Amino acid sequence: NAGVMQNPRHLVRRRGQEARLRCSPMKGHSHVYWYRQLPEEGLKFMVYLQKENIIDESGMPKERFSAEFPKEGPSILRIQQVVRGDSAAYFCASSPPPDSNYGYTFGSGTRLTVV
Amino acid sequence: QKEVEQDPGPLSVPEGAIVSLNCTYSNSAFQYFMWYRQYSRKGPELLMYTYSSGNKEDGRFTAQVDKSSKYISLFIRDSQPSDSATYLCAMRSIGGGTSYGKLTFGQGTILTVHP
Repeated sequence: NAGVMQNPRHLVRRRGQEARLRCSPMKGHSHVYWYRQLPEEGLKFMVYLQKENIIDESGMPKERFSAEFPKEGPSILRIQQVVRGDSAAYFCASSPPPDSNYGYTFGSGTRLTVV
Repeated sequence: QKEVEQDPGPLSVPEGAIVSLNCTYSNSAFQYFMWYRQYSRKGPELLMYTYSSGNKEDGRFTAQVDKSSKYISLFIRDSQPSDSATYLCAMRSIGGGTSYGKLTFGQGTILTVHP
């Protein structure tokens, strides 16, 4: 039973390029969450998605960042025209519906470095 | 004021000690509480999940919730060097609205257990 799978594990992009981060939730989980972690900081919520729906994107910057969770395939977090400040670890979590009594399972993260 | 406050430590204890980790929160809508362990350069791993005031025990770990004081704790008995990690508290609200799926994290406490 594979857990939450994220790829790539490490991603290096030059300023101005695009970064695409992928997340496949645990089997049976239909809810996906993206978090960002800067060095020496806790995890900051970015976006919450169900299949084909964005439920809450209150933590995601309005510009350059977008997320999707299509009917088929993994969830994608897309960062356009990356800047040095985007360098961070990006974690994806999945869960059954939040109204079920269940914790969230995290992936191993994608470490983005912008040079 | 942050919604969730957690002493970042660092905390250093000898092997076999009892460790107490704590978080306070200000949002009375938080009803579900989690503790995660994060090893360096890894994803957060769910340790404990609780939703009611009182204690929940799992092996060497005990989670304690006091909703009246808005205070949660994680106790680790007979601590081991392998417990050395960052411990993050997380919580979320219940009920309607789009934010109920979102986890809010403390900033994490760095724990070192030395032999």
